[in-house]
Amino acid sequence: QKEVEQDPGPLSVPEGAIVSLNCTYSNSAFQYFMWYRQYSRKGPELLMYTYSSGNKEDGRFTAQVDKSSKYISLFIRDSQPSDSATYLCAMSETSYDKVIFGPGTSLSVIP
Amino acid sequence: ETGVTQSPTHLIKTRGQQVTLRCSSQSGHNTVSWYQQALGQGPQFIFQYYREEENGRGNFPPRFSGLQFPNYSSELNVNALELDDSALYLCASSLGRGQEKLFFGSGTQLSVL
Repeated sequence: QKEVEQDPGPLSVPEGAIVSLNCTYSNSAFQYFMWYRQYSRKGPELLMYTYSSGNKEDGRFTAQVDKSSKYISLFIRDSQPSDSATYLCAMSETSYDKVIFGPGTSLSVIP
Repeated sequence: ETGVTQSPTHLIKTRGQQVTLRCSSQSGHNTVSWYQQALGQGPQFIFQYYREEENGRGNFPPRFSGLQFPNYSSELNVNALELDDSALYLCASSLGRGQEKLFFGSGTQLSVL
């Protein structure tokens, strides 16, 4: 079993839809949870990070962490064609530890 | 504010050769981490440099080595290249050793033939 798993997609949604992206993980020691967006031929760009469990909202993006289920989610409201990218979840045990990335989910938002 | 820059953008090498990749960190950042991203996979941690010292290493053999310079720029060196080393190599900088906010460059695409 891989440490961090994501459905690779591709996920295709119409413009304006609510998108739900998810990751599961096996290491209960993870405490820092991040979401990165990666456009084609570019490096990942940090969208959000959360510490421990709970929700965090930033504009159209909401991150949720459920440590009891070892499950994290990223919700995108009012999705736009510019949101078309690969979304990577990432996590670490402490702030100083190496970051473990999921394989990414490819998202296409159709106009 | 200058972002993370990497060079070269693309590189083609032959199996057995050696390669050096370069990274300039974002202005004010003193920590650089290197990642390998195979096609269709997430980035894998190679190692981190903080104040010119290696400060953590992933599951990569010793033929992957690095340096960090006083201006916080960094190099990744790979010796005895193998076909499986073909990947996108990403450099990320951060302020301090904390890894929760990484700023990535656009990467170097390495092809080993």
